Amino acid sequence: GDSVTQMEGPVTLSEEAFLTINCTYTATGYPSLFWYVQYPGEGLQLLLKATKADDKGSNKGFEATYRKETTSFHLEKGSVQVSDSAVYFCALSVRGSNYKLTFGKGTLLTVNP
Amino acid sequence: DTAVSQTPKYLVTQMGNDKSIKCEQNLGHDTMYWYKQDSKKFLKIMFSYNNKELIINETVPNRFSPKSPDKAHLNLHINSLELGDSAVYFCASSPPGQGAEKLFFGSGTQLSVL
Repeated sequence: GDSVTQMEGPVTLSEEAFLTINCTYTATGYPSLFWYVQYPGEGLQLLLKATKADDKGSNKGFEATYRKETTSFHLEKGSVQVSDSAVYFCALSVRGSNYKLTFGKGTLLTVNP
Repeated sequence: DTAVSQTPKYLVTQMGNDKSIKCEQNLGHDTMYWYKQDSKKFLKIMFSYNNKELIINETVPNRFSPKSPDKAHLNLHINSLELGDSAVYFCASSPPGQGAEKLFFGSGTQLSVL
């Protein structure tokens, strides 16, 4: 079946540090890949996505590149802020199963001033 | 102007009770979902409705019964609540033709079964 594996959290960084959250996937078909973010007390929001190999999704300074050869979609940001503290979820959907989003277990990021 | 709204935000109840969670979206979307997030933050789809028709039902106990009276509403009724049902339940919706490509989530309903 389809699955997403994210690096275990929690991740604690100082402001302006570099962030990487690893994500790898297995999929029965050709997936689209997503990062969602959940701020404290809120629902998830789409952060970025990529729909084909070598695509780079980007938003709010975050980036992730769809790497088919390594089945990865790692999230990066060059300089994190306190306001980036949240839970980050990697997810995929497979064409032909377009209504189903499979999530990873989430990675809690805490950024300290 | 909440886009996807769920009620109640918090629900505390005893084992064996029956409860409902309501969800409404004012985005004009035609697909709605229920997700369950456990205490370890793991998020898993439960149901999806497209134009009031059930399209995803992910091995959820039949104590859980979704109902979609129209495209803008998807309610979740739970019978005979169990301790293991304690979780945060998220409603979501997506625009026509986009499926899971872009989900809009509500802020969640925290259910605590005592």
